[in-house]
Amino acid sequence: TAGITQAPTSQILAAGRSMTLRCTQDMRHNAMYWYRQDLGLGLRLIHYSNTAGTTGKGEVPDGYSVSRANTDDFPLTLASAVPSQTSVYFCASSDGGTDTQYFGPGTRLTVL
Amino acid sequence: GQNIDQPTEMTATEGAIVQINCTYQTSGFNGLFWYQQHAGEAPTFLSYNVLDGLEEKGRFSSFLSRSKGYSYLLLKELQMKDSASYLCAVRDQDYQLIWGAGTKLIIKP
Repeated sequence: TAGITQAPTSQILAAGRSMTLRCTQDMRHNAMYWYRQDLGLGLRLIHYSNTAGTTGKGEVPDGYSVSRANTDDFPLTLASAVPSQTSVYFCASSDGGTDTQYFGPGTRLTVL
Repeated sequence: GQNIDQPTEMTATEGAIVQINCTYQTSGFNGLFWYQQHAGEAPTFLSYNVLDGLEEKGRFSSFLSRSKGYSYLLLKELQMKDSASYLCAVRDQDYQLIWGAGTKLIIKP
């Protein structure tokens, strides 16, 4: 079982360009999440989805959008990247019991 | 506001015991999680507490006191592979996870 996969592993992006970070899970979890992790700060929630067809805003949603067309996929789009979006991005999904979150390997994004 | 406090860094010796503390002030409480994160890797789940008391899982134990807004993660028989960051997270009244910045644990031989 793959669990959660993310692509790409890393990316260097010019400011002003758009980019989609991909996330796919095979655990049939209903809920999925996007976080960013910056040095010295805790994980910060960008967007989440409690079930396919629904999405919600987290703590730091500005500059990001998501969609949830099906259970498995939860892509994160940066419409016009800015240097402050340089970060490590983690996708996670959670089960229905304790709602423990399980994380993908992350995407390291650098915006220049 | 909501806040999770953990020490930034701790050092311990291989074979010893270390306790990593976490205090929290959140809007409501619906469980506390501990995760381990090795450098350059994703966080991985260690433990979950929702009731007061100690949860033991092998060399790792986690304690919760809801009245004090306090938890600790206890690591016994430390191994070099335990060198990692340990993240405390609290689920608030809206069932969102609030994350601490993590404690970097350095194990010395």
